[in-house]
Amino acid sequence: GAGVSQSPSNKVTEKGKDVELRCDPISGHVSLYWYRQALGQGPEFLTYFNYEAQQDKSGLPSDRFSAERTGGSVSTLTIQRTQQEDSAVYLCASSLTDYNEQFFGPGTRLTVL
Amino acid sequence: DAKTTQPNSMESNEEEPVHLPCNHSTISGTDYIHWYRQLPSQGPEYVIHGLTSNVNNRMASLAIAEDRKSSTLILHRATLRDAAVYYCILPYAGGTSYGKLTFGQGTILTVHP
Repeated sequence: GAGVSQSPSNKVTEKGKDVELRCDPISGHVSLYWYRQALGQGPEFLTYFNYEAQQDKSGLPSDRFSAERTGGSVSTLTIQRTQQEDSAVYLCASSLTDYNEQFFGPGTRLTVL
Repeated sequence: DAKTTQPNSMESNEEEPVHLPCNHSTISGTDYIHWYRQLPSQGPEYVIHGLTSNVNNRMASLAIAEDRKSSTLILHRATLRDAAVYYCILPYAGGTSYGKLTFGQGTILTVHP
């Protein structure tokens, strides 16, 4: 079956621009997570949803970052006024419930010039 | 929060067994031990998890020490495709009620042909 998909796969933007990253979870998965991964580091938790309710956003680094999950399926991570330090791979994962293993997408590589 | 400690890197030859250790000396009685791996340029992939007993699945085995302060991921016959970063994670440590994954540096496994 289809796995977690993310779009775009690569995004290059200029400092100060807003970007939207999209995640399509596995159908029927209740829980959805966003992580980001800097070069040479392990992924870092950003935020998490059950259905469309954002349960934890403690990992979002600043108020420039926001996420939503409309209708309990597709999720969007928005970064406003991007900075160079936002450059990273943004990973999305979904799981059947928040007590099941997580399935990760291929990530979106964001480069801020 | 319970933390895990893993060696930075390990090497193996193809078709030989690999034992990847993880120390988690502050683990509590209800903390599950999860392993994920990340192949180059891909998102992380769930491998296996356990609580007290040793576990086997099609990918690997997980051996958990009797005092649960350490565990070992066992790849019975390493292949070139097993070259990845392996992460030992306690998702529910610290009373977290859901599977928030805290990735450390992991162990970089190199498999030689």
